[in-house]
Amino acid sequence: QVQLQQSGAELVKPGSSVKISCKASGYTFTSYDMHWIKQQPGNGLEWIGWIYPGNGNTKYNQKFNGKATLTADKSSSTAYMQLSSLTSEDSAVYFCARGDGTPWFAYWGQGTLVTVSS
Amino acid sequence: DIQMTQSPASLSASLGETVTIECRASEDIYNGLAWYQQKPGKSPQLLIYNANSLHTGVPSRFSGSGSGTQYSLKINSLQSEDVASYFCQQYYDYPFTFGSGTKLEIK
Repeated sequence: QVQLQQSGAELVKPGSSVKISCKASGYTFTSYDMHWIKQQPGNGLEWIGWIYPGNGNTKYNQKFNGKATLTADKSSSTAYMQLSSLTSEDSAVYFCARGDGTPWFAYWGQGTLVTVSS
Repeated sequence: DIQMTQSPASLSASLGETVTIECRASEDIYNGLAWYQQKPGKSPQLLIYNANSLHTGVPSRFSGSGSGTQYSLKINSLQSEDVASYFCQQYYDYPFTFGSGTKLEIK
């Protein structure tokens, strides 16, 4: 079965960067877009972008241009998201998610909590 | 960006009741809409896609309807396990956007 296993919680300092991972299993990693979604405490959901691991193509929400960088490692079936120049506004739970070649998300990782604090 | 206005923000209903959650898009999204359920501390789970198609394994008491800019999620015969937050998502155009959520509680 499809599983998306995300890396653990991160506590990071303002101005630094963090890279979180999403290890996929149960399907052909290179055949489906991987999306990333942000959820701030008590708030709704924001779509960050997707990466197609088959060729590395990406599509970003313009709001996250320069903030988020999506990459994928085919050898380990792992998608990554790096967040840079972190501020308190970046404190959130970040999810990876996948559709079935669809723009809705049938599969989700468990989420990674990123806390930005000095 | 397409704005998704979801209502109500919170809802309290009795077991066995029928509840309806609405999402209004800032422009026509041509049924490009999904609904998700999220329980506390968990990831969202897909309920509905293409505005009215039930995702595999989702109980039939959940249903979606609508067109144009107005969409709704209906839950018949409310069960205790339906306590959760519900979100809509439009995928008609980039960037994909979500409603602000509806928190459903049992009265």
